[in-house]
Formats: sequence, structure tokens, C-alpha cells
Amino acid sequence: LAKTTQPISMDSYEGQEVNITCSHNNIATNDYITWYQQFPSQGPRFIIQGYKTKVTNEVASLFIPADRKSSTLSLPRVSLSDTAVYYCLVGAGNTGKLIFGQGTTLQVKP
Amino acid sequence: EAGVTQFPSHSVIEKGQTVTLRCDPISGHDNLYWYRRVMGKEIKFLLHFVKESKQDESGMPNNRFLAERTGGTYSTLKVQPAELEDSGVYFCASSHSLAARGRTDEQYFGPGTRLTVT
Repeated sequence: LAKTTQPISMDSYEGQEVNITCSHNNIATNDYITWYQQFPSQGPRFIIQGYKTKVTNEVASLFIPADRKSSTLSLPRVSLSDTAVYYCLVGAGNTGKLIFGQGTTLQVKP
Repeated sequence: EAGVTQFPSHSVIEKGQTVTLRCDPISGHDNLYWYRRVMGKEIKFLLHFVKESKQDESGMPNNRFLAERTGGTYSTLKVQPAELEDSGVYFCASSHSLAARGRTDEQYFGPGTRLTVT
């Protein structure tokens, strides 16, 4: 399974757009890229998943360049409630198990 | 629709005692996963059930951990005897479908059980 590298922490202010980039140089041809969000005292929550180019849903956008060696999670106009840990995951075990890295702790300030 | 529930939310036990954690997945989800995070470490996979069968238990740390899923509904994770290094947060997750190659089906996580072994 591909190893991922993402910043340990990021700070932002309310109303700003936040972009969190994840590196996954060893991504395999069949691997999808998935992002989860985790609030304190809660379990992780699925945000978005993509394979290439751009994926957008009501929560976020995911940008994946042609070489797929990195991906960027974009959160538009963050609010205080977006303060959380964001995990980038690549691929899956044969049975769908998730492989978590250290994640990026996003702190949104007023 | 009810989400994944876990019980208890917090358990404090002494070293050498036994603790049983319970997970109720979302109704209709055949796949059930256990994960844990020990202090300062990343969330790690423990095992995966498909209905009542263990599909992958490669993440179970040792034979002090026993997971069951009777009838393919709720699951229990028993730690016996508990050691200090077992302290952490134990998460349960469920999903409807199995993963296709390289792709994961969305997993729904419970709030976790915080286990403290003293």
C-alpha cells in the first residue's frame, strides 16, 4: 500500500479556502485516493474519494494531477467547525481495510 | 438511520483484568472493522468481519485479543488479560460493500471506546 505524506498541522481563519496537499509517490495504478475527517472524541468520517482529475461534493473538492503522485483536498470558506484532523489514504487492503497516516491537524481561527 | 454505536464509551480497568468492547454496526452492513489508536500513534487496523466470518485478522496484536461477531450482527472485542500498552481508543466501523481493487467503500465509524489500563 502506498505511503502518504501530509503536513502535520495547518492554521487558517474563518472564511478562507484551505488546501491540504498529500504526497503519494508510490501510488499503484488501481489505487483510489480517499480523505477522512476526524473531530475530537469522534471516529473518522469519510469526506471524498477520487481517482483522477477533480471530484467535488457538498463538503470539499479533491484535485488529482495527471501523474497522481499527489492530491489536494480543498475546503471552501472554512468555519470554526472545520477544525479537525484530515487523513489522506491511498488504496486499500484486499479486504478494504484503511491505512491511516498521521493526518493533518487543521486549526481554524476566528 | 442509526449510526455505528459502541459501548462503553470509556472503560478503566486494572492490569490483568478482562474487558469486553461492543460494536453495533449500521443495520444491513455486512462488513465490520475494528481499529485502534494507542497513545501518540496512528489509527491501526485490527481485523475485518464479513458477516460472522473473520476475513482479515492480520492486525490483531496478540492472542490476548479475541473478536467475535455472532450471527453477523453486533461484534465484541475482548481483551484478556489487559496490559498497560492496550490503553487507547478502539474504533469500530462498518460498510455495506466490499472494496473493489484499490478502492474502499465508505466506512462509517463509531465514536470509539476509550480504554484505560492502570
